[in-house]
Amino acid sequence: DSGVTQTPKHLITATGQRVTLRCSPRSGDLSVYWYQQSLDQGLQFLIQYYNGEERAKGNILERFSAQQFPDLHSELNLSSLELGDSALYFCASSVGGLGGYEQYFGPGTRLTVT
Amino acid sequence: GENVEQHPSTLSVQEGDSAVIKCTYSDSASNYFPWYKQELGKGPQLIIDIRSNVGEKKDQRIAVTLNKTAKHFSLHITETQPEDSAVYFCAETHNAGNMLTFGGGTRLMVKP
Repeated sequence: DSGVTQTPKHLITATGQRVTLRCSPRSGDLSVYWYQQSLDQGLQFLIQYYNGEERAKGNILERFSAQQFPDLHSELNLSSLELGDSALYFCASSVGGLGGYEQYFGPGTRLTVT
Repeated sequence: GENVEQHPSTLSVQEGDSAVIKCTYSDSASNYFPWYKQELGKGPQLIIDIRSNVGEKKDQRIAVTLNKTAKHFSLHITETQPEDSAVYFCAETHNAGNMLTFGGGTRLMVKP
């Protein structure tokens, strides 16, 4: 158990809908990262927050957004969902906000868009 | 941009044999190289990492080596056991960057 929690575990929704994925980092970690894992694209970085502020953006679509709250939990919002958004979404956390700090991953949310 | 290539994509070994997975990277600024193990239905688990000021690091049956000049690093698992069966990912990042760039993964199967 990494100490990173994610809810829900599974999510099934229809095209065009909007969903929210939630992540709680390990105790003491200030940085949260979101990654997408799909069969064709592998594991890809989406976005990072550090202590409430957006720190870095990767291959995140404009239909996707995220935020980190004062209690340091984070939410990833996916809107206007398409079939191709079906994937595993992982949250990771680390103590620091720069590279070189160990990142610990949560169990993931499996999103299925029908 | 950064790119990490990982080989082989699948690896089958007999229990007790060694397994080696290799990765190459392109960003010369990369200085942190973690390895993750992902079991079915679970998130990636950090198993070992190495920084650019070190050439080799060992933790029981697993070891990682880094050649910064050649821009490649490798994971070595000795005395493999069936519970080592999983998908292994290499990754890299650097101090100025924040995201991990992952290799494509290696599915390791250890036959009892």
